[in-house]
Amino acid sequence: DAKTTQPTSMDCAEGRAANLPCNHSTISGNEYVYWYRQIHSQGPQYIIHGLKNNETNEMASLIITEDRKSSTLILPHATLRDTAVYYCIVRVGDNYGQNFVFGPGTRLSVLP
Amino acid sequence: GAVVSQHPSWVICKSGTSVKIECRSLDFQATTMFWYRQFPKQSLMLMATSNEGSKATYEQGVEKDKFLINHASLTLSTLTVTSAHPEDSSFYICSASPYESEETQYFGPGTRLLVL
Repeated sequence: DAKTTQPTSMDCAEGRAANLPCNHSTISGNEYVYWYRQIHSQGPQYIIHGLKNNETNEMASLIITEDRKSSTLILPHATLRDTAVYYCIVRVGDNYGQNFVFGPGTRLSVLP
Repeated sequence: GAVVSQHPSWVICKSGTSVKIECRSLDFQATTMFWYRQFPKQSLMLMATSNEGSKATYEQGVEKDKFLINHASLTLSTLTVTSAHPEDSSFYICSASPYESEETQYFGPGTRLLVL
């Protein structure tokens, strides 16, 4: 699976949009971009994933560049409860027996 | 989304005892589940892949005789830490995928183990 690079940490003001970048320059054509987050002392929580089109759900939006070498997770109106470590993972999608490989992620702090 | 549970959520035990952790998929079946371990301020590291009806596959450096995995049904996998030592103290997390959405894995809430 392709490796990803993310900033170590970011701050965001409460109520503002949080934009979390991820670089995955070696991504393959059949690899999806996944985002999970982990709030302190909890298991990772699925946020969103996509292949090449932008995706949106009730939690966030995922913007993938046209060359697919980078993406941005957008939390439109960050709240204090969004403070967590956010993981960007690239993985072949329909690979049932394949685990997820977690990097260090981005520690997002939402400030009041 | 699909729900994965773990039991217990936390456990404290004496050195030398064994501890069993359960991972259940509550509303779906999973032939494959994954066990991860997370030390403080570190990311999740895969320990083993649990396969229903067959032996688990362990990652390099993980002792299969110390971390026993049993995937007895399509909704339950157990991890037993045998003869636990203080260095086994960690946060253990499992994950699984439903067939209907095999692209996505769902994670349990984790089990915090403290070995005294």
